[in-house]
Amino acid sequence: AQSVTQLDSQVPVFEEAPVELRCNYSSSVSVYLFWYVQYPNQGLQLLLKYLSGSTLVKGINGFEAEFNKSQTSFHLRKPSVHISDTAEYFCAVTVPSGYSTLTFGKGTMLLVSP
Amino acid sequence: AAGVIQSPRHLIKEKRETATLKCYPIPRHDTVYWYQQGPGQDPQFLISFYEKMQSDKGSIPDRFSAQQFSDYHSELNMSSLELGDSALYFCASSLGLAGSTYEQYFGPGTRLTVT
Repeated sequence: AQSVTQLDSQVPVFEEAPVELRCNYSSSVSVYLFWYVQYPNQGLQLLLKYLSGSTLVKGINGFEAEFNKSQTSFHLRKPSVHISDTAEYFCAVTVPSGYSTLTFGKGTMLLVSP
Repeated sequence: AAGVIQSPRHLIKEKRETATLKCYPIPRHDTVYWYQQGPGQDPQFLISFYEKMQSDKGSIPDRFSAQQFSDYHSELNMSSLELGDSALYFCASSLGLAGSTYEQYFGPGTRLTVT
């Protein structure tokens, strides 16, 4: 079975500052990795994904993430955040040969203040 | 572009009542997933269907059942509702069991409140 650990439940940051949201995973097999964003009272929106290839993945809204197999991490970064980035961010994994069921981390609330 | 549609968006039921949640996947998507997100929690996988057959099962209570119909829409039936069933229920769809991109597209969710 796979598991995802998001080390920070909340990350407060000032507008235009850089941010990193941490995600570590555990799995006995190779996994595919995803970051989803959930704005208040809305559904989940895919930010970016890592399936294979380049370990640096660029997503929507200026976000990027780097897959590090040796550290089993997939941290999400943005060089300059906006107030509108305030939301809950979920890291998720799935097994390539499975039914692509997603296993989510507990989420990190990004709080951007002026 | 068309997205996943869920209905109703909000539902209030009393304990021991029954609820039915509906999900309409993106056109041509043949796989549907159901997730439950409790207050302040991460989404938990309940059940999935591929081509109208159950493809995987997660932490779905025996009081819940689901099916996928010939037009690929899915319904989640919940009986003998308990207070702990209050949650946001998401439906997601994809093309194929894994599809070429492993992307699941989520609907806006149905917020179920059990009183």
